[in-house]
Amino acid sequence: KNQVEQSPQSLIILEGKNCTLQCNYTVSPFSNLRWYKQDTGRGPVSLTIMTFSENTKSNGRYTATLDADTKQSSLHITASQLSDSASYICVVSSYNTDKLIFGTGTRLQVFP
Amino acid sequence: GAGVSQTPSNKVTEKGKYVELRCDPISGHTALYWYRQSLGQGPEFLIYFQGTGAADDSGLPNDRFFAVRPEGSVSTLKIQRTERGDSAVYLCASSYQGSTDTQYFGPGTRLTVL
Repeated sequence: KNQVEQSPQSLIILEGKNCTLQCNYTVSPFSNLRWYKQDTGRGPVSLTIMTFSENTKSNGRYTATLDADTKQSSLHITASQLSDSASYICVVSSYNTDKLIFGTGTRLQVFP
Repeated sequence: GAGVSQTPSNKVTEKGKYVELRCDPISGHTALYWYRQSLGQGPEFLIYFQGTGAADDSGLPNDRFFAVRPEGSVSTLKIQRTERGDSAVYLCASSYQGSTDTQYFGPGTRLTVL
């Protein structure tokens, strides 16, 4: 069964600190992996997208990594800001279908 | 240009009623997706349109749910005989051509069935 699992479920950090969110997937055959940021009450916004051949991609203070062999991805946030407080969702797609498979997200809270 | 818009932003209805949720995708995007998101969960796929046709409707939970996109732009998600379990945020997304393109999400419609 195609699944996407994220950890931790929630995370609290202090402003200025770094953090890393994890994503494990069992989707096959793999097409691409995306990280989305979803603010409360808003739709998700794409941060990064990586295909099989890419193992890292950055978007400002966000850096995503992908290990297609172990089917793991991480999202690293550097020098966190209060505005980083949101849910971060890992999304994987397969060549077999146009559907995206969403993880349940990691709820990040950044405190001053 | 404008992003994906959804109306209404909030809808409260009574059990058994009929509701329509509207999505205006980004102009020129041929792919349109509907998702349902319950509190604390990731979005759950409902249906995917490529142009005017439903390319994949396998996520619709039952025959009370139906969606149309008659002219290949605006889409309407229709729910008949609403049940309390239908309460959720209904998200719409569009992308330029298909699933390999970035999906741009609307703000969602929060549906509450009393």
